[in-house]
Amino acid sequence: DPKIIQKPKYLVAVTGSEKILICEQYLGHNAMYWYRQSAKKPLEFMFSYSYQKLMDNQTASSRFQPQSSKKNHLDLQITALKPDDSATYFCASSQPGQGGTDYTFGSGTRLLVI
Amino acid sequence: QQQVRQSPQSLTVWEGETAILNCSYEDSTFDYFPWYWQFPRESPALLIAIRPVSNKKEDGRFTIFFNKREKKLSLHITDSQPGDSATYFCAASADNMGYKLTFGTGTSLLVDP
Repeated sequence: DPKIIQKPKYLVAVTGSEKILICEQYLGHNAMYWYRQSAKKPLEFMFSYSYQKLMDNQTASSRFQPQSSKKNHLDLQITALKPDDSATYFCASSQPGQGGTDYTFGSGTRLLVI
Repeated sequence: QQQVRQSPQSLTVWEGETAILNCSYEDSTFDYFPWYWQFPRESPALLIAIRPVSNKKEDGRFTIFFNKREKKLSLHITDSQPGDSATYFCAASADNMGYKLTFGTGTSLLVDP
């Protein structure tokens, strides 16, 4: 069974629309993250959350908003979508304090903005 | 500014050869260096990791060599197999950066049978 569930797996959106990417982890981890992967930037850090609190935000645009309704959920809302937002978005989690930062990644959501 | 750099961008070796993937970093506060591998259409997965207290970490055919003075590390894959063909990412984190992992741009490895 997948330990980190991302939905949907594939998503096609129209320019200017809004979408929510879902992420749920069942590893009992306290930290969750969003990364974006595209041909231009292979694994680009976006956000980190710990105990449902925002720890770090490296996304320049306010169009990207993480939402954490539960400890094991970290969704990503993207508004006013642009073709440049087309990428694979990976959710990841880790358990801080174990001597390093080992991530488990979800399977990703492939977003295409047309 | 790319804080973690990798070279080469792509590498092809014959089956049985040793592949050497290089990584360098800028920030001397980085204190943990995991390597992830990613197969086509899959997500990255942890392969092996090292802390600067060691200059070598070995796990089967995979070995990390670490040079703290030069801020360089390398991943050696001995007896390369076609199944090792993947993109390899060097990453780094620091205790003072929360739990954020900074990834390099990756090396695409192809092992020819």
